[in-house]
Amino acid sequence: KAGVTQTPRYLIKTRGQQVTLSCSPISGHRSVSWYQQTPGQGLQFLFEYFSETQRNKGNFPGRFSGRQFSNSRSEMNVSTLELGDSALYLCASTRTGTVNTEAFFGQGTRLTVV
Amino acid sequence: AQSVTQLGSHVSVSEGALVLLRCNYSSSVPPYLFWYVQYPNQGLQLLLKYTSAATLVKGINGFEAEFKKSETSFHLTKPSAHMSDAAEYFCAVLGTGGFKTIFGAGTRLFVKA
Repeated sequence: KAGVTQTPRYLIKTRGQQVTLSCSPISGHRSVSWYQQTPGQGLQFLFEYFSETQRNKGNFPGRFSGRQFSNSRSEMNVSTLELGDSALYLCASTRTGTVNTEAFFGQGTRLTVV
Repeated sequence: AQSVTQLGSHVSVSEGALVLLRCNYSSSVPPYLFWYVQYPNQGLQLLLKYTSAATLVKGINGFEAEFKKSETSFHLTKPSAHMSDAAEYFCAVLGTGGFKTIFGAGTRLFVKA
């Protein structure tokens, strides 16, 4: 059974550009969450999607957005990139999105903004 | 609101020694608690989870954790450290509504030969 797949693994962008990251959840998983990991802030929740609907959102500016498709694949977009957006972005999927379900993580996309 | 606090950002042990990584939680409802491990440039892998079925939870790679409600703790232990255990460990709690996981700051484990 394939795990959570994130593409690309590494990305270098320039300040002011925008970027789109992709996440394919484990087959049958309908909930996808995104996290930002930085040395200073640790792991911070960005947002969660279930059946194409955003159910929960973390405390990030509107430059961070996401969406989920009917096949449960998800994308997140960051517009007008800032140096501080450099981070490891992790995607996690859960089977049903209900309580008592652990999250399975992808390997992440390492974004560097220069 | 739920939160977790990991005591010690770095822990160093000798190979073969006991591993103890500390985690305290705060939750207004019975918590669902997790320990994850992260190797360099990798995602997070679930070690074990507590879902109120048993207070002593056994996980992968010889790790276990004990839920102590009176101490609001969920410490992670392993009797004998191996070099391959060197990684960063995260304690986490399921957020209200179950839609997100709230992580501690992480503890980096170093294992000396």
